[in-house]
Amino acid sequence: DGGITQSPKYLFRKEGQNVTLSCEQNLNHDAMYWYRQDPGQGLRLIYYSQIVNDFQKGDIAEGYSVSREKKESFPLTVTSAQKNPTAFYLCASTRDRPNTGELFFGEGSRLTVL
Amino acid sequence: EDQVTQSPEALRLQEGESSSLNCSYTVSGLRGLFWYRQDPGKGPEFLFTLYSAGEEKEKERLKATLTKKESFLHITAPKPEDSATYLCAVHPISGYALNFGKGTSLLVTP
Repeated sequence: DGGITQSPKYLFRKEGQNVTLSCEQNLNHDAMYWYRQDPGQGLRLIYYSQIVNDFQKGDIAEGYSVSREKKESFPLTVTSAQKNPTAFYLCASTRDRPNTGELFFGEGSRLTVL
Repeated sequence: EDQVTQSPEALRLQEGESSSLNCSYTVSGLRGLFWYRQDPGKGPEFLFTLYSAGEEKEKERLKATLTKKESFLHITAPKPEDSATYLCAVHPISGYALNFGKGTSLLVTP
């Protein structure tokens, strides 16, 4: 079955540490996204990538970094510069042509900073 | 600036008690409006896309409608398994990604 796989599902981090969240898709989608979800907040866009080796900042990119070396993979690094990293992180993908906008989501990764 | 506002924030219904969730939006141009369902600790699951005012879509007990300023998600005779958070999102002409509202948390009790 095609889908999006995020790992790990739960992650604990000490302050000052960088962590990387994995996102892999086998849907052959061109575009991939990272969203952050906090209690009582809507999903907020961190980064997105329309094509391999290219990505754009979303609304809350500060303290995060991404790479897109392969079409299937879009890992997110939460750096020590992110002041409030505890959140639920969602990876998603869409077909790019046509860009219907319909997002397919992974199951999420919950990051807790101790 | 594009805005998506969902109301109410939370809704509690008795099983069989029909109701509607609202999503009002402000966007310079709309490519599509999306409804998603999200269960606790899970990723959102796609429900509907609406593209133009007057459009309606149905799936089981859910029916989504769209006007030029808002969308409604009507839930007819809900069951406890309909309990979830329902997210609304707009796909603006000027942007690439979806803009989400904060969601409505629905609880259906037996």
